[in-house]
Amino acid sequence: AQSVTQPDIHITVSEGASLELRCNYSYGATPYLFWYVQSPGQGLQLLLKYFSGDTLVQGIKGFEAEFKRSQSSFNLRKPSVHWSDAAEYFCAVGAPTGNQFYFGTGTSLTVIP
Amino acid sequence: NAGVTQTPKFQVLKTGQSMTLQCAQDMNHEYMSWYRQDPGMGLRLIHYSVGAGITDQGEVPNGYNVSRSTTEDFPLRLLSAAPSQTSVYFCASEMGDTQYFGPGTRLTVL
Repeated sequence: AQSVTQPDIHITVSEGASLELRCNYSYGATPYLFWYVQSPGQGLQLLLKYFSGDTLVQGIKGFEAEFKRSQSSFNLRKPSVHWSDAAEYFCAVGAPTGNQFYFGTGTSLTVIP
Repeated sequence: NAGVTQTPKFQVLKTGQSMTLQCAQDMNHEYMSWYRQDPGMGLRLIHYSVGAGITDQGEVPNGYNVSRSTTEDFPLRLLSAAPSQTSVYFCASEMGDTQYFGPGTRLTVL
């Protein structure tokens, strides 16, 4: 069965520090992979997505993610975190055939000055 | 484009009441879906539609009905609200295998 695991419920980082949010997926084939960000009281905004090709994908707001097939992972990274990055981050997997998306339980990011 | 819009933003219901959550998109996307978001559970798919007149169940469809009479609109109906349906509901439409989310409806069932 398809599933997405985000092992870290909550992460705290200092402003200017690097960030890595973990995401592992379970899927029978190469899925479509996504990272979304949700600010408090807001909807979800797409940060980046991977469908195929280069395994390192760049997204908005300076985020990037790397697809590692051997580890079934799609970790999100940012070299220098800003206070405005404090939010909830969701990893998601979608079937290439469409119509079904599965979300992880989210990682809450706190940024301290 | 307004994107994906949802109304209302907030709603309080009593157990047993019915209501419809509205969702509309102006991007001419064929695929639309409804999710509920609960603490520690992420987003779970309730129902989805691949085009006007076609709907299907997602992971947690019980207690909810949907219809899709037009490409633009995809309302979600709660026929008899229960406290377990207290949640934040998100509507999304899809283009190019990427979903675009509305701002959400926060529903409380007393």
